[in-house]
Amino acid sequence: GQQVMQIPQYQHVQEGEDFTTYCNSSTTLSNIQWYKQRPGGHPVFLIQLVKSGEVKKQKRLTFQFGEAKKNSSLHITATQTTDVGTYFCAGPLVSGSSNTGKLIFGQGTTLQVKP
Amino acid sequence: DAGITQSPRHKVTETGTPVTLRCHQTENHRYMYWYRQDPGHGLRLIHYSYGVKDTDKGEVSDGYSVSRSKTEDFLLTLESATSSQTSVYFCAITSGTRLNEQFFGPGTRLTVL
Repeated sequence: GQQVMQIPQYQHVQEGEDFTTYCNSSTTLSNIQWYKQRPGGHPVFLIQLVKSGEVKKQKRLTFQFGEAKKNSSLHITATQTTDVGTYFCAGPLVSGSSNTGKLIFGQGTTLQVKP
Repeated sequence: DAGITQSPRHKVTETGTPVTLRCHQTENHRYMYWYRQDPGHGLRLIHYSYGVKDTDKGEVSDGYSVSRSKTEDFLLTLESATSSQTSVYFCAITSGTRLNEQFFGPGTRLTVL
């Protein structure tokens, strides 16, 4: 079946270091979303990428969608303690021809930042 | 945050008992979803709804049923809870115009003993 894999599962960094999480899909995606979940909280939508090769930035966060639209990455420059949490990628769950907003999520990458 | 609430926020129950979780939204959004979150599995879709009385199964629907009699409420029922259903349950909503941008509720932590 359709799968979305994320690596690494966990990452510990020193504050100020960079961080990258990678997302790979078993199928070509029409779009991909990224979410962040703080410890004890709920997932919060960060961004959606739609175009092949698209790169979007949000302050220290850079999101990239692969040329083949099967992979994506999230890069955080100079991590801060506020970046702590789990980052999920998600793509549309393919089911027939209609878009019902069903998503398939990666397992997430949990980021710990040491001050 | 989008107007989504979940109740109860925490529940401890025993194997074999029925449990109903409620998701309530004030956004009048058409699409609603129930997910479960377990370590190492991310978020997995249980059921979803695309309108009043219109529901469908997700990838892990066995042992769960849902109902949506009003736009604002989406109920998830475990007919006979099992220990494997111990999890954190999240409800999510999305508008029809930005279908893939989901807004999540605060979650319900369910423990089945």
